[in-house]
Amino acid sequence: DIQMTQSPPSLSASAGDRVTITCRASQSINNYLNWYQQKPGKAPKLLIYAASSLQSGVPSRFSGSGSGRDFTLTITSLQPEDFATYYCQHSYSISPTFGQGTQVEIK
Amino acid sequence: QVQLVQSGAEVKNPGASVKLACKASGYTFTSYSLYWVRQAPGQGLEWVGMIDPNRGSASYAQKFQARVTMTRDSSTSTVYMELSSLRSDDTAVYYCARKLPNNYSNSWYWFDPWGQGTLVTVSS
Repeated sequence: DIQMTQSPPSLSASAGDRVTITCRASQSINNYLNWYQQKPGKAPKLLIYAASSLQSGVPSRFSGSGSGRDFTLTITSLQPEDFATYYCQHSYSISPTFGQGTQVEIK
Repeated sequence: QVQLVQSGAEVKNPGASVKLACKASGYTFTSYSLYWVRQAPGQGLEWVGMIDPNRGSASYAQKFQARVTMTRDSSTSTVYMELSSLRSDDTAVYYCARKLPNNYSNSWYWFDPWGQGTLVTVSS
């Protein structure tokens, strides 16, 4: 199975900060990489698909980049509602795997 | 609107089976595969399996291959996941999620929307 490694596991940031989360695949996955946001007690929500395509309705302060093995989720000007856990997920095969998550906390 | 609504919480004894439901609405049920993903308390997301509602065919993660069965009822636009021989480490929230886009490729896909989740607690 393809392993997905996210970093950092957690971070503290203030509203207005720029935040970057990275995800590395154990092998090349082209651009078959998605990002989700999950708030406590809620289901994950799709933010970015195919590495850099913004899901409809998601604010433009979210962006994704990367291809091959290394990917980045960037949140420019962090908002109070962005404090959550973020997961990457590959779709290179029928059996997806997720990163372990990055918890974004209030500083 | 596109929606996945899951059945309610379950409490089961070790060794028992559980059958969860995921009812789809707002789109053509047979046009999109549905995946099941679980999340143990305080943990990350783990793929369990998937079903193609059109063909009724399913694929399972190797870890669950011997214990899981996914079925569908097209008359009610509902998919089911049954997990048997439950253990305490099966305690988790189980989510169903629709696979996009609308094709039969086994790569380049994403999940949207997700159901609200069903908590399964395995305890004696």
